[in-house]
Amino acid sequence: DQQVKQNSPSLSVQEGRISILNCDYTNSMFDYFLWYKKYPAEGPTFLISISSIKDKNEDGRFTVFLNKSAKHLSLHIVPSQPGDSAVYFCAASAIVWGDNQGGKLIFGQGTELSVKP
Amino acid sequence: NAGVMQNPRHLVRRRGQEARLRCSPMKGHSHVYWYRQLPEEGLKFMVYLQKENIIDESGMPKERFSAEFPKEGPSILRIQQVVRGDSAAYFCASSLGTLSEAFFGQGTRLTVV
Repeated sequence: DQQVKQNSPSLSVQEGRISILNCDYTNSMFDYFLWYKKYPAEGPTFLISISSIKDKNEDGRFTVFLNKSAKHLSLHIVPSQPGDSAVYFCAASAIVWGDNQGGKLIFGQGTELSVKP
Repeated sequence: NAGVMQNPRHLVRRRGQEARLRCSPMKGHSHVYWYRQLPEEGLKFMVYLQKENIIDESGMPKERFSAEFPKEGPSILRIQQVVRGDSAAYFCASSLGTLSEAFFGQGTRLTVV
């Protein structure tokens, strides 16, 4: 049961253009969403997050948009740079998971972004 | 402020041996999570612990796997009688609390031969 889905395994973008990475989720209990970036042989690095009470959060070149009615979020990177080439994971969490306290993150499968010079 | 420290970075075990993976969370973090990444797959949640308590182990295989986060010392993920299918990258993350970003360690790459 894949509760968080990233349907594009890969994305190729020209340097300087916009990269848009998409993520869909199925569990309406999710109320906190995060994006992570991962290089090979390293751990994921936190990029940006958004709470369900917001529909947009911006941090420098990175903006995350949340559409709760569509259960969809996206990460925009503008302008894209070659150093942005990595695998991007979206993740979701909830305050309460059934009988358990919240905290655990459920990850999508990842999208490999390649930014070409 | 050191990040999340995992050791060893690489671990080779023969089938049937035990594997112990250690994770020291960031200073001040009392929430620890373990994830597994199989080749060509995403990160799968295994277990969520707070000091001396297992909060959520819904992602842990029912047999051979156990985790602890004692009052003193690192969190340990223990895999008994390892099999080839246990070969994966195991990541630990820590956070200040619920609904705050989790910071990941570099991972331990377990290879079972």
